[in-house]
Amino acid sequence: SAVISQKPSRDICQRGTSLTIQCQVDSQVTMMFWYRQQPGQSLTLIATANQGSEATYESGFVIDKFPISRPNLTFSTLTVSNLSPEDSSIYLCSVAGPETQYFGPGTRLLVL
Amino acid sequence: AQTVTQSQPEMSVQEAETVTLSCTYDTSESNYYLFWYKQPPSRQMILVIRQEAYKQQNATENRFSVNFQKAAKSFSLKISDSQLGDTAMYFCATGDYRDDKIIFGKGTRLHILP
Repeated sequence: SAVISQKPSRDICQRGTSLTIQCQVDSQVTMMFWYRQQPGQSLTLIATANQGSEATYESGFVIDKFPISRPNLTFSTLTVSNLSPEDSSIYLCSVAGPETQYFGPGTRLLVL
Repeated sequence: AQTVTQSQPEMSVQEAETVTLSCTYDTSESNYYLFWYKQPPSRQMILVIRQEAYKQQNATENRFSVNFQKAAKSFSLKISDSQLGDTAMYFCATGDYRDDKIIFGKGTRLHILP
């Protein structure tokens, strides 16, 4: 299994600002994923991030709003830009393992 | 496209009872797998059980077992001898071998009552 950490664990931000979330894995992985979980809802995939290439975004998510970096095989960042109250959610990163995906503990974002 | 439907938003059972959570799915993939994940109040997503679609035998993990009906595209989770620590949100999910993406259902909130 993979151990994943995320920073920050939670944050409160003002609308119009941006938040960058870091995801660190304890082993090298090819594919990393970013999910959004709105309050009381399920997980929705934002994008898939492969090292050395641009992230692939799911329908409804765009790079200008959710830029992603993947500088190496153990690290990725997700930025949520131009924040609005609708961006208040939990953001989770995950990595593909041999039999499943392993998830980080999530970052809880509240936008005021 | 893949979809996952969980028709039970919330359930409550007494401790030590058996509970079954329902899930149906749809996929155009021929090779796929199915999951049940648990998300307790800590928010950490925990894999409960995994089933590969090509296997006819139902997966089991201790007190957790599934009833996989491939033709009906049904994948229910049975929790036996339920414990207070089983209280959590449970998500049914499906993925395929092409791109490792996982699609989640809306979840069932399970309360185990003392």
